[in-house]
Parts: sequence; structure tokens; C-alpha cells
Amino acid sequence: NAGVTQTPKFQVLKTGQSMTLQCAQDMNHEYMSWYRQDPGMGLRLIHYSVGAGITDQGEVPNGYNVSRSTTEDFPLRLLSAAPSQTSVYFCASSPDASTDGYTFGSGTRLTVV
Amino acid sequence: AQKVTQAQTEISVVEKEDVTLDCVYETRDTTYYLFWYKQPPSGELVFLIRRNSFDEQNEISGRYSWNFQKSTSSFNFTITASQVVDSAVYFCALSEAESGGGADGLTFGKGTHLIIQP
Repeated sequence: NAGVTQTPKFQVLKTGQSMTLQCAQDMNHEYMSWYRQDPGMGLRLIHYSVGAGITDQGEVPNGYNVSRSTTEDFPLRLLSAAPSQTSVYFCASSPDASTDGYTFGSGTRLTVV
Repeated sequence: AQKVTQAQTEISVVEKEDVTLDCVYETRDTTYYLFWYKQPPSGELVFLIRRNSFDEQNEISGRYSWNFQKSTSSFNFTITASQVVDSAVYFCALSEAESGGGADGLTFGKGTHLIIQP
């Protein structure tokens, strides 16, 4: 049981490049979400999904796209990377809010130069 | 809209001292969930506790204890006899069960950096 797997762990992008951060979970969780963590800001919600085919925006969605074609996968796409998107990105999953919390991946550290 | 405030940006104590991390939340829902997560220097997020809004019982787990008071919208975390290994950033978070059906993720506070000096 791997939990939540995020790839890659580190990435450096040039401004304007696009890329996809991968997130996969093997716990059959319906809820998945993406957060970014910036110094002094805590974690902020980017996008979330309540099940396959359903996604919605969180607090800071601009510059990011998501899709949820399967229960297991919830990739986060950066369309045209900007230095302001330099951050640590976390993916999380949960069966529902009434259980013992969300399981987080180990994070992706992204630097945009 | 929901909000979580952790007013203490950084706390530094000497090992074996007790320390309390404050968390104040705002929500319009009557059903909600509160969480504490630990982020050690290695960077992963470690789940510590979940409390639902109908359960105001305090909880103790070893050296850790949590005090939930709906009257003051607070969910404080105390570490007794702190140890160097407790050094980490601690996050309080909120999930609303009604407005978002509990599915729309967590609202985090900005975190408290706890430093335990030997």
C-alpha cells in the first residue's frame, strides 16, 4: 500500500514552459486535492476533486489545470510556468471528511527560473 | 468563508518545557472538522489529530494534548515535556462539512515553527 505518490520530487522549469505534476493514490479515495506551500503562507488549496470526472477550483487556481479521469490519478498541469509558481506542491487524498484526515504525498519542490 | 489563524509564527523553548500552540478558527458551518499536522524538517506532512465539531472532549496522546473550545473557536495543542524531536512546523487546519460537503479540501493556518533547544 503506497498511499499517495507524487512525481517528480524536484523540478526546475524555465519561465513559459509547461509541465504536469503527477499524483496517484491506491487507497480508492474519492476526494483528492492539490496544495501549494510558500514560506510563511501555510498550505493553500489550488484545485480539488470529489470523484472521477469532477473537479473544482480552490483558493489559488490561476495558472493551473487539473483533470480526474480515474479515481487513482489527479495530475496538476502548469500551462505556462512563472516564477511566482515556485513552491512546494502537495497532493492529498481522503475517503471523506469524516475520517481520520487527509493522506498527503511527500511533495514536489518546483523552481521556475 | 472559513479561516484558521495561528498567531504564533515561531516559538522557541528549552527541552522539557511545556509548550502550547494556539489555533483559532472561523466558520459558519455547525458541522466541521479540525486537524493538526506536523511538518518536520524533512518536509512531509504528518497527521496528528482530527476532531469533529460535536466532540468537545479534550484528547491526550502521550505527551500531546488538545483542547477544543467551541465557545472561543479555539483548538489548541500542548506538548508536555518537549523534546528536540518535536522541533517542526505545526499546522492547524479546518474542513467544513456543510458548505463544501467536506470534500473541498482543508483550510490551513500559516503554521507555527516550534524550536526545541537542547
